[in-house]
Amino acid sequence: QSALTQPASVSGSPGQSITISCTGTSSDVGGYNYVSWYQQHPGKAPKLMIYEVSNRPSGVSNRFSGSKSGNAASLTISGLQAEDEADYYCSSYTSGSTVVFGGGTKLTVL
Amino acid sequence: QLQLQESGPGLVKPSETLSLTCTVSGGSISSTTYYWGWIRQPPGKGLEWIGTIYYSGSTYYNPSLKSRVTISVDTSKNQFSLKLSSVTAADTALYYCARHLLGVAGNWFDPWGQGTLVTVSS
Repeated sequence: QSALTQPASVSGSPGQSITISCTGTSSDVGGYNYVSWYQQHPGKAPKLMIYEVSNRPSGVSNRFSGSKSGNAASLTISGLQAEDEADYYCSSYTSGSTVVFGGGTKLTVL
Repeated sequence: QLQLQESGPGLVKPSETLSLTCTVSGGSISSTTYYWGWIRQPPGKGLEWIGTIYYSGSTYYNPSLKSRVTISVDTSKNQFSLKLSSVTAADTALYYCARHLLGVAGNWFDPWGQGTLVTVSS
């Protein structure tokens, strides 16, 4: 199984919105509504931000939203804040009951 | 509040077997809803799913690691373990354990342990 494709980096200014894409295939992202997103600050463990494409766990800001179209999922962060600067990873369930992660995207808040 | 904690040697010699344990507190590993997973992250690189286990012992492995990985569970100790054989420098990574919702109910990891760094070196 190949890693999901994410842009290596994205950036935005405080208050702006950014979108991170996560592209897979019909065997993973396109085949199931089981995409999750994680935020990882340096030296910290990943934190679940979005599950099942667009659901937010309790405690996660509503500035974070997820969507999917075909074989691609997206994470949108609106009203960018300095604290959002981190690495972001997508993950998808795949055929064969396995899991695959994206390569990660570094978000820089300018 | 559910917490997970990884433990094990921080240094393993090439060709030997890496062994780690994840201790679950604040909840039961025998949950019928959740699974328990291992994920690793080489220094400066991305996340890689290693495998996942259910309390009954059913396992799911990353195909690229399957020949070298064994994940087991000890419900009496509320622990699950990882063994990775024939390690090389490429297995040097931060190893995380996490609760995992897998399969027809979804796919997400939460919460995660703090991670433990394992270095493969002679």
